[in-house]
Order: sequence, then C-alpha cells, then structure tokens
Amino acid sequence: GAVVSQHPSRVICKSGTSVKIECRSLDFQATTMFWYRQFPKKSLMLMATSNEGSKATYEQGVEKDKFLINHASLTLSTLTVTSAHPEDSSFYICSAPRHGRSGELFFGEGSRLTVL
Amino acid sequence: AQSVTQLDSQVPVFEEAPVELRCNYSSSVSVYLFWYVQYPNQGLQLLLKYLSGSTLVKGINGFEAEFNKSQTSFHLRKPSVHISDTAEYFCAVSESGNQFYFGTGTSLTVIP
Repeated sequence: GAVVSQHPSRVICKSGTSVKIECRSLDFQATTMFWYRQFPKKSLMLMATSNEGSKATYEQGVEKDKFLINHASLTLSTLTVTSAHPEDSSFYICSAPRHGRSGELFFGEGSRLTVL
Repeated sequence: AQSVTQLDSQVPVFEEAPVELRCNYSSSVSVYLFWYVQYPNQGLQLLLKYLSGSTLVKGINGFEAEFNKSQTSFHLRKPSVHISDTAEYFCAVSESGNQFYFGTGTSLTVIP
C-alpha cells in the first residue's frame, strides 16, 4: 500500500486564489520531503526540499513567495500555491526518502492543479 | 552534481516483443540506481533498485536491469512486454540517499 499520500489528487481554482496541497508519510517519519513539478511529456523538476523544523531549500528559479512550503511535523509537508495563475497549472508530486530502506524514494499519488 | 541521461524519449514496441530502455549517469563514485514507472495521472512507483552486490537486478512486473560500472549505465529490460506496460519510465541516481537525480523519462508505448 501507499506509504506517502497526497491530497487533493485534483483541484481546480480561480486565478488569484491560493491552493494548499498536503503530503503525508503514512507509516514512517520523514524529516525531508521533496516537491516536484511535472509538465506534460516532461521529466520531474525538483522545486524544493522540505525540511522538518527549518526552512525549505528552493531550487534556482523557483519563487519562494509563490510556492510556500511548510514541514509542520515529521509526517506532513504542505505546498501552498499563492495567487495562482493559469501558468501554475501542472502536476505536483511529493516524495520522501525512507531511511533504513537504502534511500529509496516513496512518491505521493500526485496533485493535478488547474487554474482557470 | 549528477546527470542522468535517458537517450530514448519515446519507445514504441509491439506486444510480446522485448524492450530495452537506456540509462546512463555521470558520476564515477558509488551510487544507488533506480527505475521508476509512472502511469497517467499518478505518482511514481519503484520498479527496481541497485544498491550493491549482483549487477543484475530483478524488479516487479518482469523487469530487470543491469548495472555496468565501466559504462556508467543501468539499462532496463523486459523480454516480453504487455499492453499494461505502456507508461513513462524514469531512471534515477542517488549518491547519498538524500539527493536524487532523474532522467528526462522514456515513454514506452506497447502496440497491440
């Protein structure tokens, strides 16, 4: 069964609103979680590394104020897309390494964001 | 930083034919190697991984991959594909288990 869960799987919002996506590790503690963005027919683009108890580390070119990441607990990280625009429409995926499993990454189911 | 190259962006293959998806990486240091599969509108699922030991790794759904250190390659193979294997396949490399680098993906289409 899934060990990393994302919610919601699909969300449609109006331009200018904010949307929050949750990523939960279900049966292990994740001090680190990764957030990716995937464009159609494209690979995964790492947006940021979420660290429990400290600030997220953003990749170059990713707007920190637009994509707010909060790692509130050892099992939950959230990505908030603020003041969403149609160009933010994408597939967002989170993942977490499960230590003790030789660094294997477990992925959430992904969240499809559509901004109208 | 690592770079991961998947030379084939799209691979069409007839049902029951064999397939090989290629993956090369840049680092010469010890790495962990992974293949993930992604079905439409879903997250990624682990197919198989190489950590150490035998260079031939067997995964789920009849897939296997061979680690070749001298060629820094980790090609994925399946002797006979099914329609259900149609998906996007990603090769990934990790040096420490905390930083992962992904290839650009290979879209496998199985033709009836």
